[in-house]
Amino acid sequence: QSVLTQPPSASATPGQRVTISCSGSSSNIGSNYVYWYQQLPGTAPKLLIYTNNQRPSGVPDRFSGSKSGTAASLAISGLRSEDEADYYCAAWDGSLSLWMFGGGTKLTVL
Amino acid sequence: QVQVVQSGAEVKKPGASVRVSCRTSGYTFTTYGIAWVRQAPGQGPEWVGWISTYNGDTKYAQKLLGRVTMTTDTSTSTVYMELRSLRSDDTAVYYCARDSCTSDGVCYIDNWGQGTLVTVSS
Repeated sequence: QSVLTQPPSASATPGQRVTISCSGSSSNIGSNYVYWYQQLPGTAPKLLIYTNNQRPSGVPDRFSGSKSGTAASLAISGLRSEDEADYYCAAWDGSLSLWMFGGGTKLTVL
Repeated sequence: QVQVVQSGAEVKKPGASVRVSCRTSGYTFTTYGIAWVRQAPGQGPEWVGWISTYNGDTKYAQKLLGRVTMTTDTSTSTVYMELRSLRSDDTAVYYCARDSCTSDGVCYIDNWGQGTLVTVSS
């Protein structure tokens, strides 16, 4: 029932680059910033990307975000085993007046 | 250093109420709002609502209107979320998270608490 659509899973080998997509609509991604969170098992989500493409201090530059129209993506380069986690996109929805989250993408590092 | 600490796990029967606390420290409490987000087992996060710690203004998710109330206690830098008439589909980990804001005034959810598991079961 998430309004923001993500692929349920993604996988790649260490050192590779992986991209996770997030599709929304004009009322959320199309008109507001996109945020990305990483969630390790049993822990709270951690902010990875804010305002489409900015990294909080401490987040490696291997993580990058982009947005075009009503879609956004998170790219992780130089994949490492510790990147294995669930990744969620989020955006404010101006029509529904609430924060929307994607359903999440489970990243497996093979 | 910003710290956000929540109260412990709760088990409630259907129809009961639950109150979860969220104690903050390491910054001026009234400067940033607090959001509540819940995550049902195996699901993505779901925004529950937000409260201004400055003036108590609230925004709630439409689907929870009438059942949820958020309040603040400035003297202890604590925010509370009460959910009433609990149902089995309210079973989730409930997180509080402090806003972070850019210099342009864009605010977003950051600085999450450790989460509080609320289980609704007969």
